[in-house]
Amino acid sequence: KAGVTQTPRYLIKTRGQQVTLSCSPISGHRSVSWYQQTPGQGLQFLFEYFSETQRNKGNFPGRFSGRQFSNSRSEMNVSTLELGDSALYLCASSLRQNTEAFFGQGTRLTVV
Amino acid sequence: QKEVEQNSGPLSVPEGAIASLNCTYSDRVSQSFFWYRQYSGKSPELIMSIYSNGDKEDGRFTAQLNKASQYVSLLIRDSQPSDSATYLCAVNRPGGYNKLIFGAGTRLAVHP
Repeated sequence: KAGVTQTPRYLIKTRGQQVTLSCSPISGHRSVSWYQQTPGQGLQFLFEYFSETQRNKGNFPGRFSGRQFSNSRSEMNVSTLELGDSALYLCASSLRQNTEAFFGQGTRLTVV
Repeated sequence: QKEVEQNSGPLSVPEGAIASLNCTYSDRVSQSFFWYRQYSGKSPELIMSIYSNGDKEDGRFTAQLNKASQYVSLLIRDSQPSDSATYLCAVNRPGGYNKLIFGAGTRLAVHP
């Protein structure tokens, strides 16, 4: 069974640009969550989608958004990039609520 | 007070010893508890999940949960140098869907 797939693996963007990251969950998993990991703040929850609906959102500005498609694949978008957005962005998929979450390899975003 | 607290370490143990990693959480109604291992530059890998009080064993790993004390621990028996990594404790609450709250992680170093 294939794991969680995130693309791209690495990105370098300039301040002010926008970026879209993609996540394909484990087959059959309908819940996709996104996290940001930085050395200073650790792993922080961004948002979670289930059956194309955002069910929960973390404490991040509106520049961070996401969506989920009917095939459970998800994208997250960050607009007007800031230097502080440089981080490892992780996607996790879960079968249903309050169950184990499995992470993808992550997308390393560097904003210059 | 942080929602999930871990000693940052490093926790240094000799090869073959038992490594004991601890985690406390603040929300008494927390329901699901997870341990992830993260190697440097890699994404978190789920190693244990525990949902009810007591011990859960899987190979060399044992997770222990005490909801009354709001405490969850991970024991690694016969520690190997390949166990050297950061161990992240994560907690989920009822109604939180799949929003995981992570501790800052404990760095474990197993020396030969």
